[in-house]
Amino acid sequence: DIQMTQSPSTLSAFVGDRVTITCRASQSISSWLAWYQQKPGKAPKLLIYKASSLESGVPSRFSGSGSGTEFTLTISSLQPDDYATYYCQQHNSYPLTFGGGTKVELK
Amino acid sequence: EVQLVESGGGLVQPGGSLRLSCAASGFTFSDYYMDWVRQAPGKGLEWVARSRNKVNSYTTEYAASVKGRFTISRDDSKNSLHLQVNSLKTEDTAVYYCARYNAAAGSGDVWGQGTTITVSS
Repeated sequence: DIQMTQSPSTLSAFVGDRVTITCRASQSISSWLAWYQQKPGKAPKLLIYKASSLESGVPSRFSGSGSGTEFTLTISSLQPDDYATYYCQQHNSYPLTFGGGTKVELK
Repeated sequence: EVQLVESGGGLVQPGGSLRLSCAASGFTFSDYYMDWVRQAPGKGLEWVARSRNKVNSYTTEYAASVKGRFTISRDDSKNSLHLQVNSLKTEDTAVYYCARYNAAAGSGDVWGQGTTITVSS
């Protein structure tokens, strides 16, 4: 199975900060990586697909990069609505696996 | 509007069974792979199962933790996805989400609101 390791697990930041979350795969997954945002009690929401493609309707302050085993999600200027938990997921091979999540909290 | 609505969750004793359903609307259900993903209380997301579409012979994939106990199925004529969950364990307690898989994008692009299974005696 491909292990997905996210860091940090928790991140405290101010509104307006640039935030970067890292996701590492235990083996190459090419660009088959998605990023999701989840708020308490809600379903996950797709932000980024194929490592760097922005889902329709998602604000441009979100961006993704990377390929192979190293990926990043960047929020260029954190907004109040962005406080949430973020997950990466690999779609390269079965079983599909998620990272453990990164909770972005208000500093 | 593209929508997925899950139902069928509930409280069940260890060893029991349930059948979850996911009603799809607003898109051509038969074209898509569909997934079940779960989330235990206070924990992260775990992919559970996949149903491929008719073009791919409705083949299925399962997480090792549920293989042999859970069965994913679909009825394209009713735009519905199902998950038969048998031999339930306390560790199966979770919110179960259905999600549409966009193969071109390699991602789950539409999610339902979830239905909760609680396994407890």
